Amino acid sequence: QKEVEQDPGPLSVPEGAIVSLNCTYSNSAFQYFMWYRQYSRKGPELLMYTYSSGNKEDGRFTAQVDKSSKYISLFIRDSQPSDSATYLCAMSSGGSYIPTFGRGTSLIVHP
Amino acid sequence: GAVVSQHPSRVICKSGTSVKIECRSLDFQATTMFWYRQFPKQSLMLMATSNEGSKATYEQGVEKDKFLINHASLTLSTLTVTSAHPEDSSFYICSAPMTAAEAFFGQGTRLTVV
Repeated sequence: QKEVEQDPGPLSVPEGAIVSLNCTYSNSAFQYFMWYRQYSRKGPELLMYTYSSGNKEDGRFTAQVDKSSKYISLFIRDSQPSDSATYLCAMSSGGSYIPTFGRGTSLIVHP
Repeated sequence: GAVVSQHPSRVICKSGTSVKIECRSLDFQATTMFWYRQFPKQSLMLMATSNEGSKATYEQGVEKDKFLINHASLTLSTLTVTSAHPEDSSFYICSAPMTAAEAFFGQGTRLTVV
C-alpha cells in the first residue's frame, strides 16, 4: 500500500460544477496537508495547505482534513476551464521538509 | 510567493552527452533544494536532496555518478545528467522548501535523449 493514494482520473466536469478531489493516506505522523496544481509541462504550484485537521477556505477553494479517517479533500466551487490541470496532494510530518506526494488527479473543466 | 527559476525548460540531446539543469532561487536563499523526476501521469519521484556547501543526499536507486548535483551557493543548485541515454528522458523539477508545508517549484525541464 502506498503512503498516499490518489485517483488519477481524469475527472471531467462542466463549467460551474463543484469539484471534489480526494486523497487517503496511511501515515498517522503526517501533520501538514498540501494541495498543488500542475499545468501541463509546468512545475507544481502550491494552492493551499492545512495543518492538522479542519477546514481552510481560499476563494473558490476549500481544503478539508479528517485525520481520524486519514482522508483529505479539495473542493473547487464554480469551476472554470482555467482550473483544468493536475491536482497533487502532498503531506509531511513536520519533522521533515520532504513531502510525500499523491500521483495527482487530472481535472478537465469543459465549457 | 517565492520564485524558483529553472533553466532550460526543454532540451534535446544526443545519447552519450551530458546535460546541465539549473535552478535559481530569485528572491530568497535556498539552503536546500529537492530534485524530482516525473513520468507521464505519475507522481513526483524524489531523486535527491541538495544542501548548500555539502554533498547531496540521494534516494535509493538513484545513481550518484549519473545524476550529479551541485549546490555551490544559496541561490543556485544544478543537476547534471551525465552520459544521457533515452531512458533518462523525463521531466525534471527542482523545489525549494520554505517550511514543512510550503515549497516552491521550478518550471520543470523536459529532457529528451535521442
